[in-house]
Amino acid sequence: SQQGEEDPQALSIQEGENATMNCSYKTSINNLQWYRQNSGRGLVHLILIRSNEREKHSGRLRVTLDTSKKSSSLLITASRAADTASYFCATDAGGSYIPTFGRGTSLIVHP
Amino acid sequence: DADVTQTPRNRITKTGKRIMLECSQTKGHDRMYWYRQDPGLGLRLIYYSFDVKDINKGEISDGYSVSRQAQAKFSLSLESAIPNQTALYFCATSANGGSPDTQYFGPGTRLTVL
Repeated sequence: SQQGEEDPQALSIQEGENATMNCSYKTSINNLQWYRQNSGRGLVHLILIRSNEREKHSGRLRVTLDTSKKSSSLLITASRAADTASYFCATDAGGSYIPTFGRGTSLIVHP
Repeated sequence: DADVTQTPRNRITKTGKRIMLECSQTKGHDRMYWYRQDPGLGLRLIYYSFDVKDINKGEISDGYSVSRQAQAKFSLSLESAIPNQTALYFCATSANGGSPDTQYFGPGTRLTVL
């Protein structure tokens, strides 16, 4: 069963706008990662945030983590048509550190 | 990611047939994984292997088996395929233990069972 659940399931925006997607999880975690998947292709790692971190940046990506609310958000600023993809959060807990993936948010950026 | 390759990329088979999906990696990673992806369900872990002698069941291992032939090779078998095994299958690798377990995915195999 999924640990993380992304919200919304689908998001449609115009190029240049910001895109925000959220991930909620149920149990305490070691780390939370965000991955991107272009249609029908393998997932690509975007960014990692550890449980003792609150915010991370990577280029146009900003990730926040609120462990008290068991939630994370991924913000893509100044979106581009090429950002069109599905975005997954993945959490790991316990000693194995194997990530568990959510169902994903489908983002469409209209040119 | 060209470092993780999967064959075949597409496969159509019939109910009851045995099928093998293969995965090879050149990243030098010890850990390898097999996932399936169904629309609306995200990725679910089938089997994983931390080294050549270590094989573990994941969330949905029933109907599947695996073989770790070498550090670089991890194959997934469906002994008797059934239609609800129609899905997109991904192989992934990660570095040698520790935290976090960032995964590197292959391009996927689209399997259709008629």
